[in-house]
Amino acid sequence: GENVEQHPSTLSVQEGDSAVIKCTYSDSASNYFPWYKQELGKRPQLIIDIRSNVGEKKDQRIAVTLNKTAKHFSLHITETQPEDSAVYFCALFRDDKIIFGKGTRLHILP
Amino acid sequence: NAGVTQTPKFQVLKTGQSMTLQCAQDMNHNSMYWYRQDPGMGLRLIYYSASEGTTDKGEVPNGYNVSRLNKREFSLRLESAAPSQTSVYFCASSPIGGRVEQYFGPGTRLTVT
Repeated sequence: GENVEQHPSTLSVQEGDSAVIKCTYSDSASNYFPWYKQELGKRPQLIIDIRSNVGEKKDQRIAVTLNKTAKHFSLHITETQPEDSAVYFCALFRDDKIIFGKGTRLHILP
Repeated sequence: NAGVTQTPKFQVLKTGQSMTLQCAQDMNHNSMYWYRQDPGMGLRLIYYSASEGTTDKGEVPNGYNVSRLNKREFSLRLESAAPSQTSVYFCASSPIGGRVEQYFGPGTRLTVT
């Protein structure tokens, strides 16, 4: 079945610096790519998504880029803040369901 | 709107016991999903229901059964619990399959001893 590879599994950045998380996939038919954030003890929540007809999308400090030819998409968080500490999941849509990556634990260091 | 609700929040079972996890949504969504979350494994799909009246297996269906009782409710049953089923279980719903945002419930933490 379709797999989504997510890297890195853990990421530590200084407060104010940028963080980048990357995901790769194999099925070129996938056309919807959401990112979810899960704070400790909470449920996952959508933070941004991108569709295959768009190469980049921004929402304040968060941006997602998609390279369909290379089959990878990335999450960029700029000017990181303590509240950005969480687990981030990339995902893609395939056959009526969302397939998730294994997650990246982001630590924001003071 | 309550969104997606799950009961119970916590549960401890002995090996071999059975139980049903309940999920309900009040957003008139067509699709509903059950995931399990284990450390380092992300969210793995157990079963899903793309629309009322249909259910399909996901990535890890063994040991589970589901019922889409109506458009609002989607339950997950463990017939004979095993320690390997110790996990956090999330229910989710979305309006049109997986093409738009999935809304998650608060989760059920299940321990099987």
